Amino acid sequence: TQLLEQSPQFLSIQEGENLTVYCNSSSVFSSLQWYRQEPGEGPVLLVTVVTGGEVKKLKRLTFQFGDARKDSSLHITAAQPGDTGLYLCAGRETSGSRLTFGEGTQLTVNP
Amino acid sequence: NAGVTQTPKFRILKIGQSMTLQCTQDMNHNYMYWYRQDPGMGLKLIYYSVGAGITDKGEVPNGYNVSRSTTEDFPLRLELAAPSQTSVYFCASRIWTANYGYTFGSGTRLTVV
Repeated sequence: TQLLEQSPQFLSIQEGENLTVYCNSSSVFSSLQWYRQEPGEGPVLLVTVVTGGEVKKLKRLTFQFGDARKDSSLHITAAQPGDTGLYLCAGRETSGSRLTFGEGTQLTVNP
Repeated sequence: NAGVTQTPKFRILKIGQSMTLQCTQDMNHNYMYWYRQDPGMGLKLIYYSVGAGITDKGEVPNGYNVSRSTTEDFPLRLELAAPSQTSVYFCASRIWTANYGYTFGSGTRLTVV
């Protein structure tokens, strides 16, 4: 099983601050996805990155896939309380049928 | 579309009891998955299915069984429940295209006492 390590595990910031969450592995993934999970709900897909070096933007969220397809980052600009949640990265094995999830980053944005 | 529906939402079991967690999807997705989520541990794959009649083990299959008799339904069976199976269980599905995201249900919170 390919492992994904996320950092930091917990992050508490003030509204308006910027932050970056990291997702790292020693293995190569064919693609990587980011999900956000709110309490009592299942994860919801934010983005899929496929190509090494790819950058995708979703409003104030910027996602990057590492050149070697072993790591990814999520950057949030001017965080808002509505961004609070558990952020999970998930890498797709080269065989294609399974995702390996990181342990998540719990983000709290205080008003 | 209802998406992925899981029942029940909450359940308390006594040690040694059995139960079935239900999962159904109405999106005609081929692939279905069962994960468990423990606090601070992310999601661990229990079993998955690539289509009706086909199932395979994930990372943590011991103590669980699955079946996939139809495209829509993917129930997870717990036999002889143990405290270590206390967790939140999520069912997910996706279409056959590899880079599409998973659609998750809202989860079943199971406590074994």
